[in-house]
Amino acid sequence: GQQLNQSPQSMFIQEGEDVSMNCTSSSIFNTWLWYKQDPGEGPVLLIALYKAGELTSNGRLTAQFGITRKDSFLNISASIPSDVGIYFCAGRASLGGATNKLIFGTGTLLAVQP
Amino acid sequence: DVKVTQSSRYLVKRTGEKVFLECVQDMDHENMFWYRQDPGLGLRLIYFSYDVKMKEKGDIPEGYSVSREKKERFSLILESASTNQTSMYLCASRDPGQVSEQYFGPGTRLTVT
Repeated sequence: GQQLNQSPQSMFIQEGEDVSMNCTSSSIFNTWLWYKQDPGEGPVLLIALYKAGELTSNGRLTAQFGITRKDSFLNISASIPSDVGIYFCAGRASLGGATNKLIFGTGTLLAVQP
Repeated sequence: DVKVTQSSRYLVKRTGEKVFLECVQDMDHENMFWYRQDPGLGLRLIYFSYDVKMKEKGDIPEGYSVSREKKERFSLILESASTNQTSMYLCASRDPGQVSEQYFGPGTRLTVT
């Protein structure tokens, strides 16, 4: 099955640093999502993007829907220890309805040193 | 809040056993999904269901089957478990009638020995 190219695979940073990660695809998507997975838990939705060029924030998190529709970016500002986890991007070719399969990236493991 | 629950957090089974993983959601969602998660591979879709008694194969259905007899419950079945099915299994649900996204359960970590 198709997968998204997500980078970096892992990041080890100091508390207070800013973080950037991105996803790219060979296909055009109409929806980009960013999930976070805490250790031993299921993914939780952080930000959803539905329009090319859209920039959306959720607290210290900001995500952008690339203008080409083939990429998306997630930034975390002033990281804190509880930001630790795996971040996944996901894309979908349709806006809704029955054809709503998501394609997931391979994840970015974030570790934050206090 | 949507709640998606999975019957077990950890499960250990022997090769050849029949394994049932259960998922229940409490928000009357029509769509439900089963994924497996492996390091470096992200989440891969095994099966999904649009509605009761409906099912569609995902990207990696081999070795698995599913059952959706009631709207709130979606079961994943490993007919004869094998060691390469050792993985984290995640269930999700979604309401397709609005722009809403998939809500995930906490996962079941299955080990096949």
